[in-house]
Formats: sequence, C-alpha cells, structure tokens
Amino acid sequence: DAGVTQSPTHLIKTRGQQVTLRCSPKSGHDTVSWYQQALGQGPQFIFQYYEEEERQRGNFPDRFSGHQFPNYSSELNVNALLLGDSALYLCASSRRTGVHEQYFGPGTRLTVT
Amino acid sequence: GQQLNQSPQSMFIQEGEDVSMNCTSSSIFNTWLWYKQEPGEGPVLLIALYKAGELTSNGRLTAQFGITRKDSFLNISASIPSDVGIYFCAGQSQWNTGNQFYFGTGTSLTVIP
Repeated sequence: DAGVTQSPTHLIKTRGQQVTLRCSPKSGHDTVSWYQQALGQGPQFIFQYYEEEERQRGNFPDRFSGHQFPNYSSELNVNALLLGDSALYLCASSRRTGVHEQYFGPGTRLTVT
Repeated sequence: GQQLNQSPQSMFIQEGEDVSMNCTSSSIFNTWLWYKQEPGEGPVLLIALYKAGELTSNGRLTAQFGITRKDSFLNISASIPSDVGIYFCAGQSQWNTGNQFYFGTGTSLTVIP
C-alpha cells in the first residue's frame, strides 16, 4: 500500500520564478491538503482539495494556487517567488468522509535565492 | 488561523525516562492527532483521538483527549534514542466543515543514551 508521495524532493528557484510541486495521495484517499513548514515551526495550512475543487484555504496569498486531478493527485503552484517562500512543503491526504486521519508525504524542500 | 500551544518547547531526558507533553487550544476540537517528525522528513502519524476523555496507546506511546476538548496529552514511557524528534499535535475544530487541521508549535525531544 503506497503512502503519500511528493516530487521533487528538493528544488532551488530564483526570486520571481514560478514553481509546481506534485503530490499523490495514499491509496483510498480522496482529499489532499497542502502545508508550508518554515524551519523550526509547525506546518501551516495552505489549502485543501477534494472533488477537484479548492474547499478550504488558509491565510496565504493568491500567488499560491493548486489543482486536483480526477485520480486525486494534486499540484501546488507558487508564482512570483519570494525569499520568504523558502520552506518545506508538505502534502497530506485523507478521506473526505469517515475517519479524518491525515497522512503526510516526505515533503518538497524549496529554496528561493 | 488558530494556534495550538504546545509545551514544553524542548526536552532533554535520559534514556529510560518517561516523557509527558501537552497541547492546548482556545477552541473546542473534535479530533486530535499526534505526529512525530524527524529532520528532513514529513510528519508521521502516531495516534488519533476522536472522543473527549479517550485514552489511546501505540506501543510505548499513550495519548489522551482532554475532557474539556481543548487539550490533549502525549506520554512516552521508557524512552529510547530513536524517540528523538519533534512531536506535533494537530487539532480539528468542531465547527470546521472540512477537515483542516491546526498544528501546534512542536516539542523537540532529545534522548541522552
């Protein structure tokens, strides 16, 4: 049973560039949530997708956008990168109904220079 | 967004000692999750709690859902070096129509052999 997978593992970008991160949920899960984790802090909720739509959003600017595909996988896009966007980006999957346990992927380490 | 207060912020203990940490919220939660995160990796789900007063164990780990529904506790018995990591609590508000989780600030555990 494959767990949550994310790609790429690491990424280095320059200020102003755009980045796309990818996530495949755990088998049987239909909901994907994205989190940003700065060094030394807890994960901060960015947004959540199910049924291919953004359902909830945290306190993040519109530069952060996403997408969910019919196979439940998801992408996180960040435009006009800032130095402050450097962080570990985590994807978590869960079931929309029933037990709401969230399982995390290994994360993508984004460095903006 | 909501912030969960976790304490202590860090712990340095001798191998074999027991560990206690807690998490408090200003809001009532209907689900509490406890995670462990090691450097460069995503958080790993340890224990999930769904009812006030619930006490659940996972090996040497025991967690409780506080009866006020505003707090949760994690205990680790007979600590071993591989317990080292950062422990996060995560709570889901009863008013949340989705399944967004709010994370605590983390407790960093160091076990001295």
